Amino acid sequence: SQTIHQWPATLVQPVGSPLSLECTVEGTSNPNLYWYRQAAGRGLQLLFYSVGIGQISSEVPQNLSASRPQDRQFILSSKKLLLSDSGFYLCAWSRKDRDGQPQHFGDGTRLSIL
Amino acid sequence: GESVGLHLPTLSVQEGDNSIINCAYSNSASDYFIWYKQESGKGPQFIIDIRSNMDKRQGQRVTVLLNKTVKHLSLQIAATQPGDSAVYFCAENRGGDTGRRALTFGSGTRLQVQP
Repeated sequence: SQTIHQWPATLVQPVGSPLSLECTVEGTSNPNLYWYRQAAGRGLQLLFYSVGIGQISSEVPQNLSASRPQDRQFILSSKKLLLSDSGFYLCAWSRKDRDGQPQHFGDGTRLSIL
Repeated sequence: GESVGLHLPTLSVQEGDNSIINCAYSNSASDYFIWYKQESGKGPQFIIDIRSNMDKRQGQRVTVLLNKTVKHLSLQIAATQPGDSAVYFCAENRGGDTGRRALTFGSGTRLQVQP
């Protein structure tokens, strides 16, 4: 069966510090990978998606970047965090299918910026 | 955990009753729909999906209904249990290339099950 892991579960960082959140998927190959952010009381906002190694598409302009160094590894980064980067960050994967496939989510990282 | 759903609409039901959660979607080009359940501090969990060539699909204790005419989606939960308490999101997905298939999420509904 497929599993998705995110870490860390919680993170407290000062403004201006760097960020690296990691997500790995097991039990599947060549997945689509996604990073979402969820503000309290809101739905999910897509930040980045990737269809393959080294292929990253950004959905919204922001202070963050993403990388996919390996097929099942997706990393969310920032060089200098802002207060507005606080939130709940979720990684997801899906199979490739023109007709649509569900996305499966990790348990997220709660990021607090001080 | 993450305080999801601070300002969400809330549906309160008695244990054992049936629950109906509604969702309106906006994109008439959407052809694939998903319901997710999110518990506090966790990621959304897939419940059930439906494609636009169907109007009803049943799972274990759950049924999704799709009305494309009015762009409305509903999730019915039979014999609601305390463990069903969570925030429920609908998501829609547009047709397109095999790569993106990004989901657009609704704002969510909090389901509270009273014992």
